[in-house]
Amino acid sequence: EDQVTQSPEALRLQEGESSSLNCSYTVSGLRGLFWYRQDPGKGPEFLFTLYSAGEEKEKERLKATLTKKESFLHITAPKPEDSATYLCAVRGYNTDKLIFGTGTRLQVFP
Amino acid sequence: GAVVSQHPSRVICKSGTSVKIECRSLDFQATTMFWYRQFPKQSLMLMATSNEGSKATYEQGVEKDKFLINHASLTLSTLTVTSAHPEDSSFYICSAREGSGRAQETQYFGPGTRLLVL
Repeated sequence: EDQVTQSPEALRLQEGESSSLNCSYTVSGLRGLFWYRQDPGKGPEFLFTLYSAGEEKEKERLKATLTKKESFLHITAPKPEDSATYLCAVRGYNTDKLIFGTGTRLQVFP
Repeated sequence: GAVVSQHPSRVICKSGTSVKIECRSLDFQATTMFWYRQFPKQSLMLMATSNEGSKATYEQGVEKDKFLINHASLTLSTLTVTSAHPEDSSFYICSAREGSGRAQETQYFGPGTRLLVL
């Protein structure tokens, strides 16, 4: 059964304090791994799609990496506006739907 | 990036009435659209998947006669909550995907619709 586990559940950082969020997954044939950011009361905002192990993508202070078992979302020198819930999801070849993790709630304090 | 819109963003209705929520892909053609429901501090729960011109596929436990989904065009899907009751109050989010090729794999989400049934 396809499964996604995110850790930690919650993370509090001081502004400028870099850290990483983890997404461990099991899937029968990975079509894609997706990172989203969700602010309270809003729909998820797309960040990255990763397709194969070794792939990396960057956007501003965020960098996503992928191995055969997990993905990391690295946040470099975060700012308070990076506070949000970060969702990881996978899609396997055997299904048409995304399997979501429960998310990491990030709070960045000034 | 690809944009998905939803309307309305918030709706309050009386118990027993029906409510329609629209979802549009603004700058791409969506062969597949999805409807999710999200409870406070929980992750997204997939309700149904629809392909343009076909009947929607509902997830187990989702009443298809209560949550009517229509994907009439490549840019529009609607969710109608029929005979709404207070327990249907929730945050409904639609999502759209362009296709199944690698460049079209990503699902984009709308901003969500907050439904409150009194």
